[in-house]
Amino acid sequence: DVKVTQSSRYLVKRTGEKVFLECVQDMDHENMFWYRQDPGLGLRLIYFSYDVKMKEKGDIPEGYSVSREKKERFSLILESASTNQTSMYLCASRIGVSYEQYFGPGTRLTVT
Amino acid sequence: QKEVEQNSGPLSVPEGAIASLNCTYSDRGSQSFFWYRQYSGKSPELIMFIYSNGDKEDGRFTAQLNKASQYVSLLIRDSQPSDSATYLCAVNSGGGADGLTFGKGTHLIIQP
Repeated sequence: DVKVTQSSRYLVKRTGEKVFLECVQDMDHENMFWYRQDPGLGLRLIYFSYDVKMKEKGDIPEGYSVSREKKERFSLILESASTNQTSMYLCASRIGVSYEQYFGPGTRLTVT
Repeated sequence: QKEVEQNSGPLSVPEGAIASLNCTYSDRGSQSFFWYRQYSGKSPELIMFIYSNGDKEDGRFTAQLNKASQYVSLLIRDSQPSDSATYLCAVNSGGGADGLTFGKGTHLIIQP
């Protein structure tokens, strides 16, 4: 079974803090993704990576950056957290284009 | 702009009946189609994927794809209260390594 893990289930941070969200997958998947999910807005793609050290902006990259130094790990960075970044953050991975995508358990981030 | 449309519901179905969930998509070049189940507060769980026109069955679940009509559906037979969840339709156009385009989901309630 594919396993995607995220570093925290719940996180509370203060405005202006730098926040790191980590995601690890154990299936040697090429592609990894970060989404956020908000009520009424659905899932929105923040960034994705199709290979080590490669990254592409998704639909809402502003205020975020990412890092992929190893194939199994994809990190999302909030450079200076703001209250409008309070959300559920979901990491996902897949083996390649057009294939099924698997999600981690999610991190519920609250910025106060 | 790629779009995936779903009726938000709630869709209420008696226990033991067939639940029918529908999804339409705008990108005629879409190549792969997915159904995810999401319980409240949890991450999306992949339950079905379909690539070719027609039906695909897995246990109590059947996915149906009609590319000419740009229409995907999910049937759940012998509905159980544990099937109560939000069901997300997702579509991949296959044009690159980006993520899926998700619908906003249909909230399904199975009434005992």
